[in-house]
Amino acid sequence: QQPVQSPQAVILREGEDAVINCSSSKALYSVHWYRQKHGEAPVFLMILLKGGEQKGHEKISASFNEKKQQSSLYLTASQLSYSGTYFCGTDSGNTPLVFGKGTRLSVIA
Amino acid sequence: KAGVTQTPRYLIKTRGQQVTLSCSPISGHRSVSWYQQTPGQGLQFLFEYFSETQRNKGNFPGRFSGRQFSNSRSEMNVSTLELGDSALYLCASRTAIAYSGANVLTFGAGSRLTVL
Repeated sequence: QQPVQSPQAVILREGEDAVINCSSSKALYSVHWYRQKHGEAPVFLMILLKGGEQKGHEKISASFNEKKQQSSLYLTASQLSYSGTYFCGTDSGNTPLVFGKGTRLSVIA
Repeated sequence: KAGVTQTPRYLIKTRGQQVTLSCSPISGHRSVSWYQQTPGQGLQFLFEYFSETQRNKGNFPGRFSGRQFSNSRSEMNVSTLELGDSALYLCASRTAIAYSGANVLTFGAGSRLTVL
């Protein structure tokens, strides 16, 4: 089943923070985050494995609450380059990655 | 290492026709996954191949088929095209993360299909 992402879209000014949420109705083994810029392929950002792990990548970090089957992506001090559509992908263990519908993030000057 | 290569990048077909898309994974990778991307549905899993065998299949009609060759290159075919098949078709190489059992996808640039 497709994970649910929220919000569907968000507009930020440079320097502002944002949180993107991803929730699943299935038990998860891992959560993946990808970013797709307009006209380009999705690019892997980070993976969080079962165990409540939190990871960071530049000013982008994420958390994974396996009990709640939820993950959140945190973008701090956003930059223009952060604009794009963010997808979470969920894996229930040796299964194909199932993606949410995406969250469109627009950062304006 | 070269990335994931998809051809053609753009194509236009009419209803009822068929189309074949090609994907070459990252050199040395034996797994290929296909996804359909549309504005309303996001990325929908089509199928996955590993060493010429289909390992998983998504919830798509039988008009969608695929195969993988001994050199790991993969093709997907859509027969009797419908307007709703207009989409970006993405292919990805699957890379295993050591000791974790998890995999990461590296996507190609995609083949944008327009059905008129």
